[in-house]
Amino acid sequence: AQSVAQPEDQVNVAEGNPLTVKCTYSVSGNPYLFWYVQYPNRGLQFLLKYITGDNLVKGSYGFEAEFNKSQTSFHLKKPSALVSDSALYFCAVRGVSGGSYIPTFGRGTSLIVHP
Amino acid sequence: GAGVSQTPSNKVTEKGKYVELRCDPISGHTALYWYRQSLGQGPEFLIYFQGTGAADDSGLPNDRFFAVRPEGSVSTLKIQRTERGDSAVYLCASSLGEGQGSNEQFFGPGTRLTVL
Repeated sequence: AQSVAQPEDQVNVAEGNPLTVKCTYSVSGNPYLFWYVQYPNRGLQFLLKYITGDNLVKGSYGFEAEFNKSQTSFHLKKPSALVSDSALYFCAVRGVSGGSYIPTFGRGTSLIVHP
Repeated sequence: GAGVSQTPSNKVTEKGKYVELRCDPISGHTALYWYRQSLGQGPEFLIYFQGTGAADDSGLPNDRFFAVRPEGSVSTLKIQRTERGDSAVYLCASSLGEGQGSNEQFFGPGTRLTVL
């Protein structure tokens, strides 16, 4: 079975500072990894994904994430946070093999960026 | 139609009633997913369609829940004899069908279901 852990319910950061939102996963074989963002009363919006290749993935709005196979992690990062980045962030994983196209989502991390 | 749309945006019903939730995916997306999201939780998988057929319905909690996608586009999630525990936001997502699961999903805004 595949699973995702987002160990922090909430992350607080000052505007202009770097931010990290953590994600670790468990899957049989190689993973496909995704980050989504959810603003209030909106659906989830795709940010970035890791499929294969370069471990550092760049996505929308200046976000990036680093795939670390040995640590089974896919932490989301941004060099300089904006107040408008405040939202709920979800990490998701799918196994490459096994025939299931169903992703498993983490519980989400609330990012609060203070002015 | 730029994105995934869901109707209604809000639905309030009484315990025991029947409800239908509609999802209109992005044109050309053959894969369609239904999820349920409770407060403080991530999306919980319910059912996945590839074209007209339900490829995986293992997430449906019981036989009160059913979903159809008769023409491979619009999908309807149907809940019979609703219970208070069914209250949640129901999310629909679509994606390109090919790509062995590497394609990202595009989510609708959700339907907030409240069962009184």
